[in-house]
Amino acid sequence: NAGVTQTPKFRVLKTGQSMTLLCAQDMNHEYMYWYRQDPGMGLRLIHYSVGEGTTAKGEVPDGYNVSRLKKQNFLLGLESAAPSQTSVYFCASSYLGHSGANVLTFGAGSRLTVL
Amino acid sequence: AQTVTQSQPEMSVQEAETVTLSCTYDTSESDYYLFWYKQPPSRQMILVIRQEAYKQQNATENRFSVNFQKAAKSFSLKISDSQLGDAAMYFCAYWGNEDNNDMRFGAGTRLTVKP
Repeated sequence: NAGVTQTPKFRVLKTGQSMTLLCAQDMNHEYMYWYRQDPGMGLRLIHYSVGEGTTAKGEVPDGYNVSRLKKQNFLLGLESAAPSQTSVYFCASSYLGHSGANVLTFGAGSRLTVL
Repeated sequence: AQTVTQSQPEMSVQEAETVTLSCTYDTSESDYYLFWYKQPPSRQMILVIRQEAYKQQNATENRFSVNFQKAAKSFSLKISDSQLGDAAMYFCAYWGNEDNNDMRFGAGTRLTVKP
């Protein structure tokens, strides 16, 4: 039972390069999320998706794009990486979003460094 | 927007002792959910305990319990009989119906357990 899997786990980029983080979940969850974690700031929501083919902006969406072409996958893209995007990125999924009966299941995180 | 404040960046406890981590939040909603997540050095986010705001009874999970004070907007986590494996970052989180699927996290408290 893999849960939520993120790839890659580590990546170093140069300013201006592009990359994509992949999140895959095998729990048939409807909702998926991308967060970033920075020291002293907890986790902040970048983008989220409430179902296949739909995405929405979170608290800090600038500089990122996402796609949810398949229910089990949620991709986070950086078109032109900046040093301010150096962070640890977490993907999470949940069933039925706001329902109190569910909780977020997180991936193990992806550490991205932009030089 | 709702905010979550953890006023203790670091805490330490002696093994087998009890420690309480503080969390306050700001909201105008009456229906919401509160969570404590644990993040060990492995970076994996693990749900520790969850509290529904409409429930007056404080949630408990084995050695973990909360003191939920709705009027004071306070949600503290008590860890009893602390173990070395409890050493981690602990994040308080808020999820309400007006946040459009945005779970708000505090900045975290780093707990050290001394043998």
